[in-house]
Amino acid sequence: DVKVTQSSRYLVKRTGEKVFLECVQDMDHENMFWYRQDPGLGLRLIYFSYDVKMKEKGDIPEGYSVSREKKERFSLILESASTNQTSMYLCASSFFKRDVLKRYNEQFFGPGTRLTVL
Amino acid sequence: QQPVQSPQAVILREGEDAVINCSSSKALYSVHWYRQKHGEAPVFLMILLKGGEQKGHEKISASFNEKKQQSSLYLTASQLSYSGTYFCGTSRLPPGGATNKLIFGTGTLLAVQP
Repeated sequence: DVKVTQSSRYLVKRTGEKVFLECVQDMDHENMFWYRQDPGLGLRLIYFSYDVKMKEKGDIPEGYSVSREKKERFSLILESASTNQTSMYLCASSFFKRDVLKRYNEQFFGPGTRLTVL
Repeated sequence: QQPVQSPQAVILREGEDAVINCSSSKALYSVHWYRQKHGEAPVFLMILLKGGEQKGHEKISASFNEKKQQSSLYLTASQLSYSGTYFCGTSRLPPGGATNKLIFGTGTLLAVQP
C-alpha cells in the first residue's frame, strides 16, 4: 500500500516563526503536492513538484516555499507564519504518468497537519 | 478556476440514492473523484477520461459529459460508510510533467443516516 506520512498531525506556532512541514512517500512517486484545506474552499494547491529539485507554483503560493532534495520527501516552508495561514495542510503524491499497470495519476494523500498560528 | 460542485450538502437515509455534480468552465481531459471521511485523508474513488474510459469503484459510478464539461457521481443504495465529503478534481491535460496537477472543487458533504 502507498503510504504518505506527514511530520505532525497538529502544530501550533507563533506569528513570524519559520515553519517546516514535512511529507514523505514510500511509493517512488515522481509527483508530490501540497494543499491547504479550509471550510467552504475545498482543496487548494499551494505548490507541486514533478521531480527532485523541480517545483511549480499552484494556485495560492504566496507566503510559502517548498523544497524537494530527495524523491521521497517534499517540504513546505512558511517563511514567516501569519494567522491567515492557520489551516489544514495536506500532502499528496502520484505517478508521473500512466504506469505499466495502466494506473493513472491518482493522488494518494497523507493524514494532514492542522496548523494553528497564534 | 475551481470547478463548481453541487449540491454543497446532502442528507440521505440508508438505501437512498444521491447524485453529485461537478462542472467546469474549461475543457477537461479528466475528472477525478475523491472521498474524505471525517478526520481522515481524501481517498481516490474514480477517474473519468476524455473519450469515455473509466476506472473506479464497485458500488459507485460516474459519468463525464465532455460537451458540457460536467461530471456526475452516482451513489446508489447508500450505506452509512458513504458519509463524507466528496471532491472532484479536474485536469485539462493528459498526465505527465508540469501539467500533472488537479484543480479541486469545494466539496459536497454527504451524510447518510440510519
